[in-house]
Order: sequence, then structure tokens, then C-alpha cells
Amino acid sequence: AQSVTQPDIHITVSEGASLELRCNYSYGATPYLFWYVQSPGQGLQLLLKYFSGDTLVQGIKGFEAEFKRSQSSFNLRKPSVHWSDAAEYFCAVGPPDFGNEKLTFGTGTRLTIIP
Amino acid sequence: SQTIHQWPATLVQPVGSPLSLECTVEGTSNPNLYWYRQAAGRGLQLLFYSVGIGQISSEVPQNLSASRPQDRQFILSSKKLLLSDSGFYLCAWSLLAGVQETQYFGPGTRLLVL
Repeated sequence: AQSVTQPDIHITVSEGASLELRCNYSYGATPYLFWYVQSPGQGLQLLLKYFSGDTLVQGIKGFEAEFKRSQSSFNLRKPSVHWSDAAEYFCAVGPPDFGNEKLTFGTGTRLTIIP
Repeated sequence: SQTIHQWPATLVQPVGSPLSLECTVEGTSNPNLYWYRQAAGRGLQLLFYSVGIGQISSEVPQNLSASRPQDRQFILSSKKLLLSDSGFYLCAWSLLAGVQETQYFGPGTRLLVL
């Protein structure tokens, strides 16, 4: 069965600092990979996704993620965070053989931005 | 463009009362539809998904049920709510258009069972 691990429950960074959120997955083949962001009390918004091809994926709001097969990781990065980036971030994986009928989500990383 | 609606946005219900949460999608046809529950600190749990009218797959045995009476309508129900049903319920949709599918989420319904 596939699984997703987000080892950091809560991260605090200063505004303007760089950010990396970790995501590790367990799956027999290369899955589809996603990052979503959730502002308090809101639904989830897709930041970016990886299906195949270039392992460095660009997303919205200045985020990017890199797929590393050897490490089974799909870490999310941003060079300079803004106060509006404070939110909860979820990594998700979906099996490629069934499209993404069933996504498995990590438990999320809550990001706090300090001035 | 496609939009997804959920209502109500917030709901407070007593234990043992019935539940009906509604999700509708606009701007697309024959979407896949999903219900998730999000509990604090536990990520998202897939409850049900549907690939067509009247077709419901349940992922987790529980006190809830789902129905899809129309192509773009997905309803989450319960006959008798439990305290453990409290949480944030999210509806999502996706299109089976080749292999590059993505799920898009609604704004959610926060349910508090007292």
C-alpha cells in the first residue's frame, strides 16, 4: 500500500527566508505526486504536481518541488517566503495505474511565518 | 471554468441527529467526485468516491453514506451522528481525461457534533 510521510508537523520561518517542506513516499513504482496548500478554514488548493518528465516542477505562488526517485522524496521549496504563505501544506501521492482515483495524503505541515 | 460548491459551510448538530452535506460541481460533465474528512493533525481521509451517477465506492466502514443522484451532485449523509463524526468535510472532483488527472477541492464544511 502506498503511504506518505511529512516528518515536520510544524515549521516556523522568518519572512524572506527560504523554505523547504519534506515529503517522502512509499510505493512500488513512481506515483503521481502533488502538493496542496490549505489556508485556515478553507479547502485545499493545488500548488503543483508531478506526473513524469522534468523532475523539478514549478507551481503557483513561487513554489517548486523536486522529485528524487533515489530518495523517494518530493520536497517543496520556496526561495523567499511571504507572510501570506502561512498555511498548512499537504503532500499527496496517487497510483499511476489508476490515475488519481485514490490519493493518499500526508498528515500535513503547518507553516508559521514570523516578521 | 469549473467551480465546486459545498454547503453548509458550518454545521452544529446534536448526537443522534441526521446529516446531509451537499456538494455540487459546475462547468464540467461526468466528473469523478470524492468525499474526504479531515481531523485535526491527521491529514485527509478518503471516505467515498464516485465515478458516475449511482456509483459509490466506500473506503472506510463507518456511520456515513454517500449518494450521487445527479451527475454533478454528491451528498454525504448519516442517519444518526456520533461525536466522532465531527471534523472538516471536503468534497473534490476530478476528470478522467487521459492519465494526468488532478483533484480540485471545495471550500469544505465544518461539522461539530455535540
